[in-house]
Amino acid sequence: AQSVTQLDSQVPVFEEAPVELRCNYSSSVSVYLFWYVQYPNQGLQLLLKYLSGSTLVESINGFEAEFNKSQTSFHLRKPSVHISDTAEYFCAVNGNKLVFGAGTILRVKS
Amino acid sequence: DTAVSQTPKYLVTQMGNDKSIKCEQNLGHDTMYWYKQDSKKFLKIMFSYNNKELIINETVPNRFSPKSPDKAHLNLHINSLELGDSAVYFCASSQEASGIPNEKLFFGSGTQLSVL
Repeated sequence: AQSVTQLDSQVPVFEEAPVELRCNYSSSVSVYLFWYVQYPNQGLQLLLKYLSGSTLVESINGFEAEFNKSQTSFHLRKPSVHISDTAEYFCAVNGNKLVFGAGTILRVKS
Repeated sequence: DTAVSQTPKYLVTQMGNDKSIKCEQNLGHDTMYWYKQDSKKFLKIMFSYNNKELIINETVPNRFSPKSPDKAHLNLHINSLELGDSAVYFCASSQEASGIPNEKLFFGSGTQLSVL
């Protein structure tokens, strides 16, 4: 069985500040990890994924996530957020099936 | 062009009614899915079809019946709607078959179903 926990339901942050969205998982099998983003009135879009290799993965818009096997975490970070990053972010784990977390709403304020 | 489109965007209906949600993808993908996002925002898979064949059928009441006339369409029909069916339903598609770990899902924008 797999599960995903996103510890924060909402994260408010000022523009240009750093942000971390936390994700922890549990699984009895090896997993692959994903972050999806949902902008208002849109479907989910893949932001980044970890399959193998380097534990630090990056997206094209400045987000990065690090796979930490010992802590079973895959936290999402950005050193400086923009207003346009306001969205809901979903962590997902795929061992034998894709399981999503409950989502974290990132609110970037000016 | 929208890659995965689902209609309607909003659906408000009375208990006991039967309703359908349609989904179409123009990506040429082999696999399509229906997910339910409940009030606590958890996304749970309901069904998965690969080339019109049912692959995944999670524990979903048999009032829910998916229909895939071709691999570009996966419609969801719900009979005898109940209050607990109120949720946002997302259609998705992927190139790889269900269960392959590196699958990238493309989602529709969701259908908000409200049962009164």
